[in-house]
Amino acid sequence: QQQVKQSPQSLIVQKGGISIINCAYENTAFDYFPWYQQFPGKGPALLIAIRPDVSEKKEGRFTISFNKSAKQFSLHIMDSQPGDSATYFCAASSGSRLTFGEGTQLTVNP
Amino acid sequence: DSGVTQTPKHLITATGQRVTLRCSPRSGDLSVYWYQQSLDQGLQFLIQYYNGEERAKGNILERFSAQQFPDLHSELNLSSLELGDSALYFCASTKNTGSNEKLFFGSGTQLSVL
Repeated sequence: QQQVKQSPQSLIVQKGGISIINCAYENTAFDYFPWYQQFPGKGPALLIAIRPDVSEKKEGRFTISFNKSAKQFSLHIMDSQPGDSATYFCAASSGSRLTFGEGTQLTVNP
Repeated sequence: DSGVTQTPKHLITATGQRVTLRCSPRSGDLSVYWYQQSLDQGLQFLIQYYNGEERAKGNILERFSAQQFPDLHSELNLSSLELGDSALYFCASTKNTGSNEKLFFGSGTQLSVL
């Protein structure tokens, strides 16, 4: 019930392409869904987040799509850049505890 | 820079030993979280403190303990270390303790148990 499943494990995209990472959850008590970006040697950093009363949130090139009935949400990175190469984690929380997905290693080739 | 400071950055020790990891949260943040990151387990929540008191417990082993001091810095104590405890340990802080709070992560302490 506390798990968040993330896919794919790794993703290679050409510069200018769209990167899509998917997550699914079971616990309907989750009420906050952030995405974190992690570069090597650094801690995760909040990228964008959404609440279940909204189906989509866009910030610059990053968009979260949220499907409450399917209990799924995804991150879309438009016009992907080599600087976007990092590990991306979806997460979900209920109360003060964040449960993270397994992570997706994104590589954007120039 | 997230404003969260973790020391040391790297720690190499032997099985059976005890180590202490230190975290200084961002200025003004009352809540501190500890996470363990390993290749096979991903990012696992260990424990949370808020203003000196334990608020939530996750997958923390009995050999591990933590505390938050009056100046709000926190320490994670790992004892009777095993090879499987080798991992990256992150501290994160936030102002409050609500579910929607943005967590600011430190750069982590890489623990290697040999």
